[in-house]
Amino acid sequence: DGGITQSPKYLFRKEGQNVTLSCEQNLNHDAMYWYRQDPGQGLRLIYYSQIVNDFQKGDIAEGYSVSREKKESFPLTVTSAQKNPTAFYLCASSIGQGRQPQHFGDGTRLSIL
Amino acid sequence: GQNIDQPTEMTATEGAIVQINCTYQTSGFNGLFWYQQHAGEAPTFLSYNVLDGLEEKGRFSSFLSRSKGYSYLLLKELQMKDSASYLCCYWAGGFKTIFGAGTRLFVKA
Repeated sequence: DGGITQSPKYLFRKEGQNVTLSCEQNLNHDAMYWYRQDPGQGLRLIYYSQIVNDFQKGDIAEGYSVSREKKESFPLTVTSAQKNPTAFYLCASSIGQGRQPQHFGDGTRLSIL
Repeated sequence: GQNIDQPTEMTATEGAIVQINCTYQTSGFNGLFWYQQHAGEAPTFLSYNVLDGLEEKGRFSSFLSRSKGYSYLLLKELQMKDSASYLCCYWAGGFKTIFGAGTRLFVKA
C-alpha cells in the first residue's frame, strides 16, 4: 500500500544541535509539505515543495531547512537557530495544488533535552 | 486575515448525532476540507466542499455556506472510535491551506 513514512517517531535534541526528520512517500505525488502542530493551534506550514529540486518557505520557515533531491523524499532539518523546536511535526503530500486532499505521515515528536 | 474558528472540545454519547461547526474568513476562500486526527497520529481526509450545500458520505456529512463563511461536519450513529480531533481547514489558493486548531470530540458510552 502507498503512503507516507516519517521517522523517527520520537526525537530528542540537545541545545545547539541540528536534527533531521525524515519523510518518504511512495504515492508518486509531486507536492510535499512540512507542518508544525502545537497544542491549541492549527497546523502551520514550514516549507513546501511542488517538484524535485524546488521548495518554498511557508509561514514559519525561520530556523528550518529542507531539500528535495528525489521525488519520494523531503527531509526537514531543525537547526539550532530554531529556539522553540518542541512540537509535533507532520509531513504531507498531494497530487497537486491545495484543492487536492493531503496525505499525512504519522508525525515526529521533537523534544529538547 | 486568515481566521478560522471551531470549538475546542465537544462531548457526545455513543449512538447519538453531533455537529461540529467551523467559521472562516471568506476572503481568499477556494474550498473547505475536514480531516480526522486521532491523538499522535496522521490526519486523514474526510471531506472537501467547494459548492454550497450538504455532502453525505456514510455516517459523515459536511455542509458549506460560502456567503456566511460557515461549515459544519455532522457525525451520525457515533461510535467510540470517533473520539478524535476534527480539523477544519480551507484552501486559500496555490499550495496554501489554512487550518483551524481542531475540535476534540469525546464519545462516551
